[in-house]
Amino acid sequence: GDSVTQMEGPVTLSEEAFLTINCTYTATGYPSLFWYVQYPGEGLQLLLKATKADDKGSNKGFEATYRKETTSFHLEKGSVQVSDSAVYFCALSDQGGGSYIPTFGRGTSLIVHP
Amino acid sequence: DTAVSQTPKYLVTQMGNDKSIKCEQNLGHDTMYWYKQDSKKFLKIMFSYNNKELIINETVPNRFSPKSPDKAHLNLHINSLELGDSAVYFCASSQGLGDSNSPLHFGNGTRLTVT
Repeated sequence: GDSVTQMEGPVTLSEEAFLTINCTYTATGYPSLFWYVQYPGEGLQLLLKATKADDKGSNKGFEATYRKETTSFHLEKGSVQVSDSAVYFCALSDQGGGSYIPTFGRGTSLIVHP
Repeated sequence: DTAVSQTPKYLVTQMGNDKSIKCEQNLGHDTMYWYKQDSKKFLKIMFSYNNKELIINETVPNRFSPKSPDKAHLNLHINSLELGDSAVYFCASSQGLGDSNSPLHFGNGTRLTVT
């Protein structure tokens, strides 16, 4: 079945540092890929998405590129802020395998210090 | 302008009680979900409804019973609550089952504490 693997956290950075959160996936079909962010006490919200190979999703300074050859969708940001502290989830949605369940990674906690 | 709203936000109750969580979406979406998030932030799908019909029913104790009176509402009723039911429960919706490009829209969660 489909699965998503993210690096374990927490990731602890100083403000203005470079961020990478790794995400790899396995899928039966040709999935769409997503990053969601969960701020403390809130639900998940879509951060960015990519629907086909080599697409780059971007939002709020975050970027991720759909790499079919390495089955990866790593999240990056050039300069993090304290307000980016949250839990980040990589996810996929794959119709090709006949599964209607959006699949989530286990989440990576990011802590940014001033 | 709330998109997916769930009530209550907090629910504290004793073992053995029965409780319900309500969810409503005003996005016109066809598909709604219930997820359970544990203390380590792991998200587990519980149920999914598409146009009021049950599509996904993962391995969930039958003490949990979802009900969808119309496609904008998906409520979760839990009987005989147990300590292990303590978690945050999220309702979500998406455009439709056949649209894998459509992201999920989540409510803000209901933190259930069973004592």
